Amino acid sequence: DGGITQSPKYLFRKEGQNVTLSCEQNLNHDAMYWYRQDPGQGLRLIYYSQIVNDFQKGDIAEGYSVSREKKESFPLTVTSAQKNPTAFYLCASSISRSGRPQETQYFGPGTRLLVL
Amino acid sequence: RKEVEQDPGPFNVPEGATVAFNCTYSNSASQSFFWYRQDCRKEPKLLMSVYSSGNEDGRFTAQLNRASQYISLLIRDSKLSDSATYLCVVNLNTGGFKTIFGAGTRLFVKA
Repeated sequence: DGGITQSPKYLFRKEGQNVTLSCEQNLNHDAMYWYRQDPGQGLRLIYYSQIVNDFQKGDIAEGYSVSREKKESFPLTVTSAQKNPTAFYLCASSISRSGRPQETQYFGPGTRLLVL
Repeated sequence: RKEVEQDPGPFNVPEGATVAFNCTYSNSASQSFFWYRQDCRKEPKLLMSVYSSGNEDGRFTAQLNRASQYISLLIRDSKLSDSATYLCVVNLNTGGFKTIFGAGTRLFVKA
């Protein structure tokens, strides 16, 4: 089955700790995205990548880092610099990133990050 | 003003009712439009794209009004399983690509 997987489902972070969220897709999509969702707010873009070895900051990149060494994988690291990391993190992918109507984004099941 | 605005609801309707949601967008460079459905504590899933001429998928009808800059979603014959949050999504192309998500409208369908 083609799709997007994220792990873990729940993640707990201690003060001063960096944690990494995994995102893998087998849809052969070029573009991948990381979003953060907070209650009562729309999804906010953290980082996106249009191609392997390239990625761009989104609207709220501070305190986060990513890598795109393989087409299938786009891990997100939440660093200790992110002071309010508790949120629902969603990874998505699309065929490419031109905004054409058929290029919709498909989401993984998400990771809930909680701060201890 | 938010780039994409939705009435947060909740909309509480009985089974079988018809319900409509609107979503307004502020940027005239908006190119493509979608409705996503998000169940509680789950990921958003594409419900339908919204085309200029309007489009229908079973009980769901989506409309786009570029002049007034809004899109709508109509659900006919509501089912209990339609209870979810409906997200309005807009793709912009202003020299750079951007996707804007609305905060969503919550729908509760009651027996």
